[in-house]
Amino acid sequence: KNEVEQSPQNLTAQEGEFITINCSYSVGISALHWLQQHPGGGIVSLFMLSSGKKKHGRLIATINIQEKHSSLHITASHPRDSAVYICAGGGATNKLIFGTGTLLAVQP
Amino acid sequence: GAGVSQSPRYKVAKRGQDVALRCDPISGHVSLFWYQQALGQGPEFLTYFQNEAQLDKSGLPSDRFFAERPEGSVSTLKIQRTQQEDSAVYLCASSLLQGGNTIYFGEGSWLTVV
Repeated sequence: KNEVEQSPQNLTAQEGEFITINCSYSVGISALHWLQQHPGGGIVSLFMLSSGKKKHGRLIATINIQEKHSSLHITASHPRDSAVYICAGGGATNKLIFGTGTLLAVQP
Repeated sequence: GAGVSQSPRYKVAKRGQDVALRCDPISGHVSLFWYQQALGQGPEFLTYFQNEAQLDKSGLPSDRFFAERPEGSVSTLKIQRTQQEDSAVYLCASSLLQGGNTIYFGEGSWLTVV
């Protein structure tokens, strides 16, 4: 059983829509990473969270430690946001356990 | 360099051939990780270094896989007697310290075994 569960697996949105991707994780994970991967491209770190909320541009990430749940929000989505979004759990060493990823397609 | 650099970017190997994949982490980064990403799958952990010490190699799939980081900087992942199931993207990542730090990924080395 994967210790990091992510949903939805696929998401299609219209340009301008508000998008939410969810991630649940198990005990032993103390830091939650949100990553972005474009097709054929490398992985880019968006956020690293251990508590609270972080915002960068149109991206917002939140984490609820008690519920072991994190969300990634994209406001005013744009076709260039189309990518795979991955949540990954880390512990003391930054060894990551990856979720299955969410394939996001934003249509103009 | 400014980011994590991996080479070669693309490698086609004949089954049974040995390959070596190189990772140049961001200068000064203590932690270095290797991950394997099969087509359509999420990355899977292979091994982890803190400086030159290999602290965790639990993800290496067989004894054909070997990784080293002799001077605590550049790392090499070696795969001996490659098999078709080794075909994947091999990702290297580094972070400044241990847990709770932003992790930086290289572009990956795409290995195809034919």
